[in-house]
Amino acid sequence: KQEVTQIPAALSVPEGENLVLNCSFTDSAIYNLQWFRQDPGKGLTSLLLIQSSQREQTSGRLNASLDKSSGRSTLYIAASQPGDSATYLCAGTTTDSWGKFQFGAGTQVVVTP
Amino acid sequence: EAQVTQNPRYLITVTGKKLTVTCSQNMNHEYMSWYRQDPGLGLRQIYYSMNVEVTDKGDVPEGYKVSRKEKRNFPLILESPSPNQTSLYFCASSLYLGGLTDTQYFGPGTRLTVL
Repeated sequence: KQEVTQIPAALSVPEGENLVLNCSFTDSAIYNLQWFRQDPGKGLTSLLLIQSSQREQTSGRLNASLDKSSGRSTLYIAASQPGDSATYLCAGTTTDSWGKFQFGAGTQVVVTP
Repeated sequence: EAQVTQNPRYLITVTGKKLTVTCSQNMNHEYMSWYRQDPGLGLRQIYYSMNVEVTDKGDVPEGYKVSRKEKRNFPLILESPSPNQTSLYFCASSLYLGGLTDTQYFGPGTRLTVL
């Protein structure tokens, strides 16, 4: 079973600083990995999806990398803004069970003005 | 507007009273899934469906049933709810083409309380 871990559980940074969020997974046979954002009391919004054949994906200020050999994915958010305050979750699925998703517990981010 | 809808959004019920939470998507997605979110435990998958009439268990299927008779709908059924099923429930869907699962789109959530 794929285990997904996110450290730290919470992070506070001043506005303008770059954010680095980590996601570790135990099964290197990862099929794809997705990053989501969740605002309090709301559903999840997809940020980036990385297929197993890819090393990174970019969208605006966001960049996500995937290193299967080390079992890690990193989400970078450049020049953070107060609007980036939210909980960020990663979720992975494996090649032998690619409909089955394992989520990390999330990193709660606060960007202070 | 492309979206995943869930009903009801909030529900308070009593132990043993059967209930159904509906989920519908208008994006012609093949894949649909149900999750529950609990403090300290994160999001856990209950059931998922790769296509019509095809469903599989996630990590926490006990006490739940699902059906996928049409592509757009994926209801979650609690035959005899118990207090440990009090949770925030999310439905999600994604397009699936030739083995490549696409981005998951989530519904707004259903907050269920079982007394």
